[in-house]
Amino acid sequence: QLQLQESGPGLVKPSETLSLTCTVSGGSISSSSYYWGWIRQPPGKGLEWIGNIFYSATTYYSPSLKSRVTLSIDTSKNQFSLTLTSVTAADTAVYYCARRLYSSAQFDFWGQGTLVTVSS
Amino acid sequence: QSVLTQPPSVSAAPGQKVTISCTGSNSNVGKNNASWYQHLPGTAPKLLIYDNNQRPSGIPDRFSGSRSGTSATLGIIGLQAGDEADYYCGTWDTSLRAGVFGGGTKVTVL
Repeated sequence: QLQLQESGPGLVKPSETLSLTCTVSGGSISSSSYYWGWIRQPPGKGLEWIGNIFYSATTYYSPSLKSRVTLSIDTSKNQFSLTLTSVTAADTAVYYCARRLYSSAQFDFWGQGTLVTVSS
Repeated sequence: QSVLTQPPSVSAAPGQKVTISCTGSNSNVGKNNASWYQHLPGTAPKLLIYDNNQRPSGIPDRFSGSRSGTSATLGIIGLQAGDEADYYCGTWDTSLRAGVFGGGTKVTVL
């Protein structure tokens, strides 16, 4: 069974950089059948798509976050990562990593999510 | 402001039916397949419907999906207490080159 697990600091100071990693087990991140994505949910708000990355490192980013977001992938470790720079309190959210089919738009497997709080 | 529009809440008695609409445009729901997710607090979102009307293995047939034009709809029949959750639609927006979600709909079982 495929599993995804987010990891990273739970507290980040304003203006600093948020970095999270998603470790995939039970399947290969190098498959050409899937994208790997990040989605977040601020407290009391809905889901917000952050970006997708393919095993070849092709990326797609949310237009509203594009200037601050970078996704990367490490096929040797079966991991992909999110970096968000210049964070503010508005970036406080539960961050999820998920798998998306290459040929369709649905996210079929999700991590449990990790809460990241931006505060001094 | 979400690209996809959902009603904030719907409610019905146990055993009854609810429908949730997801209204988009020709660059998202009208062009690409929609999916639906059930989200319970403190858990990962669960895929309920993909490709507008397909259920993943293990999802009961009480859940159904459809699409007409630029709107998608999720239906839940035989409502149960365990169905109380937030429900989100999602798809790809070809013009934005971005994933998009609806704002979410809270289902309450009266």
